[in-house]
This record gives sequence, structure tokens and C-alpha cells, in this order.
Amino acid sequence: DGGITQSPKYLFRKEGQNVTLSCEQNLNHDAMYWYRQDPGQGLRLIYYSQIVNDFQKGDIAEGYSVSREKKESFPLTVTSAQKNPTAFYLCASSRVPGQGAISNQPQHFGDGTRLSIL
Amino acid sequence: KNQVEQSPQSLIILEGKNCTLQCNYTVSPFSNLRWYKQDTGRGPVSLTIMTFSENTKSNGRYTATLDADTKQSSLHITASQLSDSASYICVVTSTSGTYKYIFGTGTRLKVLA
Repeated sequence: DGGITQSPKYLFRKEGQNVTLSCEQNLNHDAMYWYRQDPGQGLRLIYYSQIVNDFQKGDIAEGYSVSREKKESFPLTVTSAQKNPTAFYLCASSRVPGQGAISNQPQHFGDGTRLSIL
Repeated sequence: KNQVEQSPQSLIILEGKNCTLQCNYTVSPFSNLRWYKQDTGRGPVSLTIMTFSENTKSNGRYTATLDADTKQSSLHITASQLSDSASYICVVTSTSGTYKYIFGTGTRLKVLA
């Protein structure tokens, strides 16, 4: 089945440590996204990428970094500069918005990674 | 400021009953409006997508309506089941320059036996 796989399901970060969240998709989508979900808040965009080797900052990119070396993969690194990293992180993919009818295609989400601080 | 507001924040209903969730938005320019279902600890799953010209769309027991003039949408769930217990998220797509998805905070629905 086509879909998005996020790993690990749970992750713990120590003080001063960088951690990397994995996101892989086999939907042949060009666009990929990282969101952060906190209780009582809507999803907030961290980074997005519409093509390999290119990505753009979202609304809350500080303390995070990404890479897009392959179409299928879009890993997110939570750096030690992110002082409040405890959250549920969601990865999504879609066809590139703006391409006529394709703009009405849904985003497909993974099942998330829950990051906590030790 | 582009915003999506959902109400109620949470809702409890008995199995077999109907319910309606509301979404009001102040997003411009508007491209489409989506409803997602998110089970606890899982990622959101798309239920419906409506463009400006569509005012109703169904997906099984889920029926979404859109009034683009008043910038309001609703999601009606018919004959609720225990498996409908989840958060329901309204998302509006804006086409200002690049595409941008604006997420509501969701309505948490609990269906009791």
C-alpha cells in the first residue's frame, strides 16, 4: 500500500542533543511538509519542500533543519536550539499545489512522532 | 489575518445520534476547504475537499457544506458510531502567492455507547 511512514513513533531528547525524525513516502509526491501539533493549537508548518534539493521555511522553522536529497525522504532534525521541542510531529506529502485540478488533492499524513524531553 | 475557527471545541454524543461541527474562516484569497479526521495518536485523514463552487459534498455518513459568501462550513455526521470518536480538523487553502494551508484547532468528538 502507498503511504507515508514516520519513525520512530516515540522519541526522547536529552539536553543539548540533536535528534532526527524520519519521513518516507512511496506515493510519488513531489511536495513534502513537516508540521508541529501542540494541544489546543492548529498544525503549524515547520518546513516544506516542493522538489528535491529545495526546501522553504514555514512559520516556525527556528531550531529545526531539514534535507531533501531524495524524492521519497524528508528528514527533520530538531536541534538543541529548539528550546521547547515537546510536541507531536507530523509529516505530510501531496502533489505540488497550483497545478490545476491537482491543487484540490489532499495532503497525506504519516502517523506522527511524539517527541519528549528527558 | 488568515484564521480558521472551529466550534464547538469538544462534543459528546450518544451512539446513533447525529451531530454538526462548525468551521468559520477569514482566509483570502480562498482556494478550497478540507475536513480531516484525526484519531488519537494518528495522522489526519482526508474526509472531503470543496472548492468555491461546491456547496455540499458527502463521504459516507459525513456530509460537508460550504457557504463561500458567509465563509462558513459545517461537517454533519449521521448515525454516529463509536469509531467516529476523533478530532475533526477544518483546513482552508489560500492561494496568495504560494499555496498555504491554514488549520483550525479541531473539534474533539466523543461518541458514547
